[in-house]
Amino acid sequence: AQSVTQLGSHVSVSEGALVLLRCNYSSSVPPYLFWYVQYPNQGLQLLLKYTTGATLVKGINGFEAEFKKSETSFHLTKPSAHMSDAAEYFCAVSGALISNFGNEKLTFGTGTRLTIIP
Amino acid sequence: DTEVTQTPKHLVMGMTNKKSLKCEQHMGHRAMYWYKQKAKKPPELMFVYSYEKLSINESVPSRFSPECPNSSLLNLHLHALQPEDSALYLCASSQGQGIKTEAFFGQGTRLTVV
Repeated sequence: AQSVTQLGSHVSVSEGALVLLRCNYSSSVPPYLFWYVQYPNQGLQLLLKYTTGATLVKGINGFEAEFKKSETSFHLTKPSAHMSDAAEYFCAVSGALISNFGNEKLTFGTGTRLTIIP
Repeated sequence: DTEVTQTPKHLVMGMTNKKSLKCEQHMGHRAMYWYKQKAKKPPELMFVYSYEKLSINESVPSRFSPECPNSSLLNLHLHALQPEDSALYLCASSQGQGIKTEAFFGQGTRLTVV
């Protein structure tokens, strides 16, 4: 079984301030972790992913996340918020097989809406 | 080309209509997915196709009928939908069969059932 908890359904930060979006996961198998961003009326765009190797992962648009196994966390950060970062952010975990074809289930958190204050 | 293209972008249909959503990718991905996303909710998996075969059906009502004509195309046929089926329908694809290899999502089709 696997699950994702995103703390804070809505986060507001000032332009130029640190962005911190929290994600904790639960997985019975080694997890693969993702952050996706969704702008209004758009699909999902992958920001970054952790599969194996280096635990600090850098993504697009200046975002990064650190996989901490001991804390079962994968928090998303950005040093300086920009107005264009306003969007919905989803943390997701995969790893559990759900078919004989080897498909893995991608489980999403409930999302965090990021608002940037000018 | 790293795009997943969905058509149409918007669709309004009556409860007695039959319509189809289309999804296309040219990345050589062999797994394709349909997700349903209600407002302010995360995407929910509906179907998975692996190598053009239906590998997962997440107990989706039969009024939704997926089809994978070839490795680049994925359709979702809609018939006798209910107003509660109104949502954003997202298509995705991934290399191989594991979504850990990175899923690419389309922009979605905003469906309204009246």
